[in-house]
Amino acid sequence: EAAVTQSPRNKVAVTGGKVTLSCNQTNNHNNMYWYRQDTGHGLRLIHYSYGAGSTEKGDIPDGYKASRPSQENFSLILELATPSQTSVYFCASGDGGASAETLYFGSGTRLTVL
Amino acid sequence: AQSVTQPDARVTVSEGASLQLRCKYSSSVTPYLFWYVQYPRQGLQLLLKYYSGDPVVQGVNGFEAEFSKSNSSFHLRKASVHWSDSAVYFCAVSNNAGAKLTFGGGTRLTVRP
Repeated sequence: EAAVTQSPRNKVAVTGGKVTLSCNQTNNHNNMYWYRQDTGHGLRLIHYSYGAGSTEKGDIPDGYKASRPSQENFSLILELATPSQTSVYFCASGDGGASAETLYFGSGTRLTVL
Repeated sequence: AQSVTQPDARVTVSEGASLQLRCKYSSSVTPYLFWYVQYPRQGLQLLLKYYSGDPVVQGVNGFEAEFSKSNSSFHLRKASVHWSDSAVYFCAVSNNAGAKLTFGGGTRLTVRP
């Protein structure tokens, strides 16, 4: 059974609409992350969290908000979606290792903004 | 600041051949280095990581990587590839100063039967 689950798997949104991507983890990890994956760019960090109630900006936070209401759940929110946010989004939990944290990824959400 | 470059966007090899995927990193402090693999329609999975000690690290499924401080590299190797190794491989770097992972652009590996 998958330890990091993302929903929905696919999403089509209209420009200017609100989009919420959800992530649930059963690893009991404190750290959680949202990345987007675009061809040629690898994965880029949008937001992350150290635990319930905490959110931090990553490398490309503009146009995105995050919410961590509980240890298990971490959401990514696009208040006003734009076509440039069309991408594949990955959520991950991190084991917080003192040396070299390992990330555990969900299967991704493919978002298309028309 | 830290960065990762994977100079080969696509690599094609025949089944049974040896493999090297290249990774060059830049980090102002001691790097932690990772290789992740992404199989079709899946999230990334850790193959191996290096943070200290022996510069050659072993990973899953016969993969290994070698850290070279002088060359700022962390190349991934496998002695004999299988068709099931076809995937996208990502090199990533973080550091002991708490920086989050920075990923390279990925290398798409195709193994011909």
